[in-house]
Amino acid sequence: KAGVTQTPRYLIKTRGQQVTLSCSPISGHRSVSWYQQTPGQGLQFLFEYFSETQRNKGNFPGRFSGRQFSNSRSEMNVSTLELGDSALYLCASSPQGQGQETQYFGPGTRLLVL
Amino acid sequence: GQQLNQSPQSMFIQEGEDVSMNCTSSSIFNTWLWYKQDPGEGPVLLIALYKAGELTSNGRLTAQFGITRKDSFLNISASIPSDVGIYFCAGQLGGADGLTFGKGTHLIIQP
Repeated sequence: KAGVTQTPRYLIKTRGQQVTLSCSPISGHRSVSWYQQTPGQGLQFLFEYFSETQRNKGNFPGRFSGRQFSNSRSEMNVSTLELGDSALYLCASSPQGQGQETQYFGPGTRLLVL
Repeated sequence: GQQLNQSPQSMFIQEGEDVSMNCTSSSIFNTWLWYKQDPGEGPVLLIALYKAGELTSNGRLTAQFGITRKDSFLNISASIPSDVGIYFCAGQLGGADGLTFGKGTHLIIQP
């Protein structure tokens, strides 16, 4: 089975722009979660989607949003980029997002905001 | 947001030595997970723990889910060069809840 894939792998943007990142979960997985990883704050949960619905959300401003499509692929969008948004954005998938399921991570998209 | 207290932050050891790291939390979790992350990659799951008191092994790795549900440890026996990397603990309350991560333990093995 192919793993979680994320595109693009690397991205450079300038302050004020917006960005869209894409995640394709493992085939058959319907739950997709997004995380931000920075040296200062570590790994932090952004949100989780299941059946095209956001079920859970971390403590991030409204500039961070996401969506999930009927094929379980997910996108996250960051509007009005700030320098502090530079980070590795990781996507993880699991079958149903239920207890005792493992989340499998993709390689991440490294975003640099100049 | 809430984070787990993971220690030590870094470890410098000789090849063949045993390694121990742990995580503590002020609140309980129903699942504890241990991940390893190599440069340029996403975290890879090493061990998953689902029951308080559970002790689970995966090759040279052993992890335990603390009886209070507020802590976990990971041991690596007879370290080898490919063990180098950053190890993260993560706690989860429910299936749809996000993982809460520790800050990581950077393992460096000296030849």
